[in-house]
Amino acid sequence: GQQVMQIPQYQHVQEGEDFTTYCNSSTTLSNIQWYKQRPGGHPVFLIQLVKSGEVKKQKRLTFQFGEAKKNSSLHITATQTTDVGTYFCAGVRGSQGNLIFGKGTKLSVKP
Amino acid sequence: DAGVTQSPTHLIKTRGQQVTLRCSPKSGHDTVSWYQQALGQGPQFIFQYYEEEERQRGNFPDRFSGHQFPNYSSELNVNALLLGDSALYLCASSRKLAGGLNHETQYFGPGTRLLVL
Repeated sequence: GQQVMQIPQYQHVQEGEDFTTYCNSSTTLSNIQWYKQRPGGHPVFLIQLVKSGEVKKQKRLTFQFGEAKKNSSLHITATQTTDVGTYFCAGVRGSQGNLIFGKGTKLSVKP
Repeated sequence: DAGVTQSPTHLIKTRGQQVTLRCSPKSGHDTVSWYQQALGQGPQFIFQYYEEEERQRGNFPDRFSGHQFPNYSSELNVNALLLGDSALYLCASSRKLAGGLNHETQYFGPGTRLLVL
């Protein structure tokens, strides 16, 4: 079946260091979405990427969608303690609309 | 403008019982999707409702059923509960775009934490 793989599963960084999580799909995606989930919370939408090779920035966060629309990445520059949480990518295949989530990358930031 | 709401927030049931979870979508949204998130895992798609019909379904048994009402709110029913059904159940709402392509962002509710003993 269709899968979305996400690595790493965990990432521990010192405050100020950079962080990257990678997402790879077994099939071409129509779009990919990124969510952040704080401990005890629910997924909160961060961004959606639709076009091949698309790059979007939100302050210290940079999101990329691969040329083949099968992979994506989220890069955080100079992490802060407020960045703590689990980051999920979620792919959408065709016009189906349902999100196929990766297992997430849990980020911890040491002050 | 209220976001996605879910009730109850927490629920404890025993094996074999039945449970109903409720979701009200974000204002202006007409599509409701349900997800199950086990501890330490990503959300898994259960099914999606649009125009009061189940439009898509993930890999979940028939014990999981749902309903959508004319006001777009939705219910998730789980029969014959198993210990493995313990999870966070998330409802996400979105708006179906013209042309049948659903690229609209899905917004998640706070979830219902179900514990099956």
